[in-house]
Amino acid sequence: NAGVMQNPRHLVRRRGQEARLRCSPMKGHSHVYWYRQLPEEGLKFMVYLQKENIIDESGMPKERFSAEFPKEGPSILRIQQVVRGDSAAYFCASSPRRGGYEQYFGPGTRLTVT
Amino acid sequence: QQQVKQSPQSLIVQKGGISIINCAYENTAFDYFPWYQQFPGKGPALLIAIRPDVSEKKEGRFTISFNKSAKQFSLHIMDSQPGDSATYFCAASLGGGSEKLVFGKGTKLTVNP
Repeated sequence: NAGVMQNPRHLVRRRGQEARLRCSPMKGHSHVYWYRQLPEEGLKFMVYLQKENIIDESGMPKERFSAEFPKEGPSILRIQQVVRGDSAAYFCASSPRRGGYEQYFGPGTRLTVT
Repeated sequence: QQQVKQSPQSLIVQKGGISIINCAYENTAFDYFPWYQQFPGKGPALLIAIRPDVSEKKEGRFTISFNKSAKQFSLHIMDSQPGDSATYFCAASLGGGSEKLVFGKGTKLTVNP
């Protein structure tokens, strides 16, 4: 009974490169959330997706960030032209249904921009 | 309006003692309040959660107390153990179609043996 899977666990990118973070939800879960955690801070909501739909992207920066959750395959958070301020831990959470509230988190991807 | 304020920032407790972490919110539309435990280098793990129609919920050594009128809720860890040493986050959800979680800034708990 695998939990939420994220890869890579660690990612190093130079300024200006692209970062792609992947999230596979728990089996049977079709709702995915992305959160960002800065050092010594709580998690900040970025985006909520269902299969092929973005439900809420109110926490996503308007530029350089995008997310998708295709019909087949993992959800992907994409950061274009990374800057040092993008260095953070990015967590994905999944939920079995809308309105279910319980969100189960993956181990995170730690992005370092050099 | 969508903030959740958590205190204390850090807490040191002796083994066997009670750990208490408090959170407060402003938005009365929040309708789900979970607590998460996070160990270094790991993702947050759901510990226990409560809804506003309940004043207390207990699961093992973990208890949430909820005060709707004061807009406050707290986590009590009874008989604290060194293995409980972690960062604890309270959160709140608005529901209504998004269910995104608004997190407090966390409390770093250290339980001394």
